[in-house]
Amino acid sequence: EVQLVQSGAEVKKPGESLKISCKGSGYSFTSFWIGWVRQMPGRGLEWMGIIYPGDSNVIYSPSFQGQVTISADKSISTAYLQWSSLKASDTAMYYCAKRTGVYGMDVWGQGTTVTVSS
Amino acid sequence: EIVLTQSPGTLSLSPGERATLSCRASQSVSSSYLAWFQQKPGQTPRLLIYGTSSRATGIPDRFSGSGSGTDFTLTISRLEPEDFAVYYCQQYVGSSWTFGQGTKVEIK
Repeated sequence: EVQLVQSGAEVKKPGESLKISCKGSGYSFTSFWIGWVRQMPGRGLEWMGIIYPGDSNVIYSPSFQGQVTISADKSISTAYLQWSSLKASDTAMYYCAKRTGVYGMDVWGQGTTVTVSS
Repeated sequence: EIVLTQSPGTLSLSPGERATLSCRASQSVSSSYLAWFQQKPGQTPRLLIYGTSSRATGIPDRFSGSGSGTDFTLTISRLEPEDFAVYYCQQYVGSSWTFGQGTKVEIK
């Protein structure tokens, strides 16, 4: 079964750093793009960026360029989303999703809730 | 960046009625790379339609997609109680993916 399993919920203070993960299984992790999507409380879906784990090529949405870092470790089939200095406005649910060619984002992780509060 | 605008923001309908959701792009989108998702409260988005009109695995045939260029439509032929949710369109052309802001289908 193709699965993406994300790391657990996080509660952080403003200014702290954070790295959340998305582990793929049941498919060739290096052969498919993984995207990250933000959903702020009560709001819609926002595409943040994508990574191709095979060569770690990353493309960011202009809205998130410079705000987050997307990376991957293909040796453990895991993609990451990280912040160097969190803000309260980073409070959201974050999803990873796998793109399967023309099928689009057909497999999603369960989501990671990030809460940033002093 | 391609901007997707969905309308209406909210659609109030009764079970059994037909729902028509619109997604308009700021520039032409290849029909091969236009998708629709359904999201219920507290749940992960679920892929309904990809490539404008192809249903994803397990999606009932009351869901259909159509369109081309800058105008795309998701139609739910007869609403079932489980169809009341928020629907998002998404384009995934090349290296830039964007979502529409969503249409909420609520029970009238």
